[in-house]
Amino acid sequence: KNQVEQSPQSLIILEGKNCTLQCNYTVSPFSNLRWYKQDTGRGPVSLTIMTFSENTKSNGRYTATLDADTKQSSLHITASQLSDSASYICVVTPTLNTDKLIFGTGTRLQVFP
Amino acid sequence: NAGVTQTPKFRILKIGQSMTLQCTQDMNHNYMYWYRQDPGMGLKLIYYSVGAGITDKGEVPNGYNVSRSTTEDFPLRLELAAPSQTSVYFCASSMRPGGGGKGTQYFGPGTRLLVL
Repeated sequence: KNQVEQSPQSLIILEGKNCTLQCNYTVSPFSNLRWYKQDTGRGPVSLTIMTFSENTKSNGRYTATLDADTKQSSLHITASQLSDSASYICVVTPTLNTDKLIFGTGTRLQVFP
Repeated sequence: NAGVTQTPKFRILKIGQSMTLQCTQDMNHNYMYWYRQDPGMGLKLIYYSVGAGITDKGEVPNGYNVSRSTTEDFPLRLELAAPSQTSVYFCASSMRPGGGGKGTQYFGPGTRLLVL
């Protein structure tokens, strides 16, 4: 069964600290993997996207890595800010032209001053 | 561009009532989607459309209906609302299927629905 699992479920860090969120997937075949940020009460917004041939992708203080062999991805946030408080969702696309994406349950990050 | 807009933002329904959730996008995207997001769960696809006049079921279509008469609009209809339909509903659109390749899906702000 195609699944995307994220850990931890929730995380609390202090402003200025770094953190890493994990995503493990069992989706096969695999086309690409995206990380979305979802602020409370808002829709998800794309942060990064990686195809199966890419190992890393950065977007400002956000860096995503992908290991297609172990089917793992991580999202690293550097020098966290209060505005990073949100849910981060890992989304896997099984094949290139599919409308049916596989969503993880998300990691809820809270950054405190 | 306003992107993807949804109305209403919040609604309370009684069991058995019906309503339509509105979704409009101004990016000329062919592909549009309706998802529901329940607490602690990943987004689930309800219905999707690959263009005007074409719709198809997603993972959890029971209790919902959709139509796509124009490229811009993709309303979601709830008939005979049930407590199990209490959720946050997101509409999304994309240029290619599922966002495709290096593209992405653009999400609306969501509609929070409570069925009592």
